[in-house]
Amino acid sequence: AQTVTQSQPEMSVQEAETVTLSCTYDTSESNYYLFWYKQPPSRQMILVIRQEAYKQQNATENRFSVNFQKAAKSFSLKISDSQLGDTAMYFCAFMKPRAQKLVFGQGTRLTINP
Amino acid sequence: DTAVSQTPKYLVTQMGNDKSIKCEQNLGHDTMYWYKQDSKKFLKIMFSYNNKELIINETVPNRFSPKSPDKAHLNLHINSLELGDSAVYFCASSQVLGQGASGNTIYFGEGSWLTVV
Repeated sequence: AQTVTQSQPEMSVQEAETVTLSCTYDTSESNYYLFWYKQPPSRQMILVIRQEAYKQQNATENRFSVNFQKAAKSFSLKISDSQLGDTAMYFCAFMKPRAQKLVFGQGTRLTINP
Repeated sequence: DTAVSQTPKYLVTQMGNDKSIKCEQNLGHDTMYWYKQDSKKFLKIMFSYNNKELIINETVPNRFSPKSPDKAHLNLHINSLELGDSAVYFCASSQVLGQGASGNTIYFGEGSWLTVV
């Protein structure tokens, strides 16, 4: 069974700094999808960024980018120029193709301080 | 305009009661889900339906009964509520469009916070 591990329960940075959230996963699959979701205090689960395992190029979405290291089974999220609105729980998630099921990590609580 | 909407958003009820949470999606997706987020924020799938057919049932107690009247709706009924059922329940939907993460992304509703007292 696949597992996803986020080793940082909490992180805190100053506004405008860059922060990296770590995520590792365990799978024997060669093709799969990886996601980062954000959960602000409103509790809404919001997609931040996604990546296919067969793509070597790291995904980017504005200030958000990933460092995908397939051999190391690592999928970290980098937030550049952090903003107060980035304060949230961040969840890393794994999906096998056609499984249509997300396996989540434990989450990292990120606080952006003014 | 909300893509995945669920009601109620907050629900406080006594042990032993029966309650339902309703979910609707207007994204035209074929697959809908229920996820549970426990007090430690851990998220886990409970059920998934594809075109009204049950696809995934993750060893959820049979007090939980999902019902999908059509592919745009997936309701969750819970019988004989217990203290341990207190959680946030998320409805979600997706459309499998070939390969690629974008075609397999799951979109979540705002969650329904259930408190059993």
